[in-house]
Amino acid sequence: GQQLNQSPQSMFIQEGEDVSMNCTSSSIFNTWLWYKQDPGEGPVLLIALYKAGELTSNGRLTAQFGITRKDSFLNISASIPSDVGIYFCAGQRQGAQKLVFGQGTRLTINP
Amino acid sequence: DTEVTQTPKHLVMGMTNKKSLKCEQHMGHRAMYWYKQKAKKPPELMFVYSYEKLSINESVPSRFSPECPNSSLLNLHLHALQPEDSALYLCASSQVVYTDTQYFGPGTRLTVL
Repeated sequence: GQQLNQSPQSMFIQEGEDVSMNCTSSSIFNTWLWYKQDPGEGPVLLIALYKAGELTSNGRLTAQFGITRKDSFLNISASIPSDVGIYFCAGQRQGAQKLVFGQGTRLTINP
Repeated sequence: DTEVTQTPKHLVMGMTNKKSLKCEQHMGHRAMYWYKQKAKKPPELMFVYSYEKLSINESVPSRFSPECPNSSLLNLHLHALQPEDSALYLCASSQVVYTDTQYFGPGTRLTVL
């Protein structure tokens, strides 16, 4: 099935650095979601975006719904050890019952 | 409250066993989902229930049988599974199926011997 192109696949950063990741698609989406998943746990919703151009923050996290509706970005500022995990983007098209997921970005932080 | 609960947390079963996974939400959501997730991969949709009716079956083998007894509960009955069915099974819910935010449970780690 269709997948979103999520990049980078992995990131190795120092504590305190900022992080950026993005998802792109050839199709238009009406909703963009960003999830974080820790090992052995379910994905936890970080930010939900519903309008093109929307910029939403959740603490140190900021996400944007691309103006073309074909992409989304997630930024994490001043990373801390608990930010370690896998970040998934997901999109949903108008009238669709299913989410389309990116392949994930694995974030590793060196203290 | 955006909590979806799943039981059990871990399950080990033989290929001839019958077991069930349970999922519960009390957010008043009318859409519920089962996903299967393999290591280092995104969740793969298995089933969608909308208003307690099966809406999507993603060509899942019949050894997986979903059930939605009421708007708060979702079960996944397992029978004659194969070792390759070992995975993290996730339940999710949303207010409705179309263009809405899905909230995931913590998952059941299933191992088939």
